[in-house]
Amino acid sequence: KAGVTQTPRYLIKTRGQQVTLSCSPISGHRSVSWYQQTPGQGLQFLFEYFSETQRNKGNFPGRFSGRQFSNSRSEMNVSTLELGDSALYLCASSLLFRGTYTDTQYFGPGTRLTVL
Amino acid sequence: TQLLEQSPQFLSIQEGENLTVYCNSSSVFSSLQWYRQEPGEGPVLLVTVVTGGEVKKLKRLTFQFGDARKDSSLHITAAQPGDTGLYLCAGVANTGNQFYFGTGTSLTVIP
Repeated sequence: KAGVTQTPRYLIKTRGQQVTLSCSPISGHRSVSWYQQTPGQGLQFLFEYFSETQRNKGNFPGRFSGRQFSNSRSEMNVSTLELGDSALYLCASSLLFRGTYTDTQYFGPGTRLTVL
Repeated sequence: TQLLEQSPQFLSIQEGENLTVYCNSSSVFSSLQWYRQEPGEGPVLLVTVVTGGEVKKLKRLTFQFGDARKDSSLHITAAQPGDTGLYLCAGVANTGNQFYFGTGTSLTVIP
């Protein structure tokens, strides 16, 4: 079974631009969560989508948004990029809504975003 | 301020040594998970502990959940170079529905 895939793997943008990252979950998984990982703040939860609906949201500004399609694939968008948005963006999929805490999350390799 | 604080932040040891990583919080967690992340990859789940006082063993790794469900520890016996990586604790606090990761412990095992 194929794992979680994220595209692109690397991205360089300049301040003020916007970016869209894509995540394809494991086949059959309906929950997709997004995380930001930086050396200073560590791994921080952005949001979770389940059956095309956002179920949970972390403490990030409205510039960060996402959506999930009917095939469970998800995209994350960051508008008006700032230098501080440089990070590794990780996507994780799980079979069920992650509120079921025993459900395992499977992470993709991430998209490394650099904002110049 | 991080909800889950891990210590130590960095650890460099010789192959064969034992080590313990701690994960502490002032909040109660319904469960805690431990992940390991290697460079260029996403975190991989190692274990989930659910019950206060629970101890789980995976080969050379021993995980413990505190009685009050506010802390957890990971003990590695006879560390090997393959254990090198970033170790992260994580969970959902009882106060809300957000999933939190710990600050991380970067472990290097020198052959």
